[in-house]
Amino acid sequence: NAGVTQTPKFQVLKTGQSMTLQCAQDMNHEYMSWYRQDPGMGLRLIHYSVGAGITDQGEVPNGYNVSRSTTEDFPLRLLSAAPSQTSVYFCASRSSGNYEQYFGPGTRLTVT
Amino acid sequence: AQSVAQPEDQVNVAEGNPLTVKCTYSVSGNPYLFWYVQYPNRGLQFLLKYITGDNLVKGSYGFEAEFNKSQTSFHLKKPSALVSDSALYFCAVSRYNTDKLIFGTGTRLQVFP
Repeated sequence: NAGVTQTPKFQVLKTGQSMTLQCAQDMNHEYMSWYRQDPGMGLRLIHYSVGAGITDQGEVPNGYNVSRSTTEDFPLRLLSAAPSQTSVYFCASRSSGNYEQYFGPGTRLTVT
Repeated sequence: AQSVAQPEDQVNVAEGNPLTVKCTYSVSGNPYLFWYVQYPNRGLQFLLKYITGDNLVKGSYGFEAEFNKSQTSFHLKKPSALVSDSALYFCAVSRYNTDKLIFGTGTRLQVFP
């Protein structure tokens, strides 16, 4: 199993550009989440999904959209990037019977 | 609202000595508590969890944590630190069976030879 994969690893955007961060898992996990990690602030939950077709907001959802059309994929969309969205983004997944989350390797995003 | 506090930004310990990384939490109802570790330029890895049962929880790499309900704490411990334990450690809490996992700000553990 590849576990949780994220692409790209690095991305530089200009203010106002849009992009999609990809996340995929091959463990048939029901739950998937997106977090951002900023220095001194730990990880903050952006959006999460408890299954295909079901998503909900986390702590810091503004500026981000998600959808979950399949169990495997959970993309995160930035519609109009802002410098405040410069961060490291992590995707995670877990099964409904296990509370252990599996994290991807992260995407480092810089918005100039 | 849920919250987690990790009062120490950094903990320094000599190799072979015991280590403690502190965590306190605030959540209504019964907490689900977790510790994760992050090595440089990597994602987070699960160490251990408390859901219910014995207050002393054992996890990966010789780590353990003690759930103390009266003090709302979940401190991470290891009897004998290794240099390879040096990393960033995160405590996290969720309420009941939800995926709203709230993380602390992290504690950097530095183990010196």
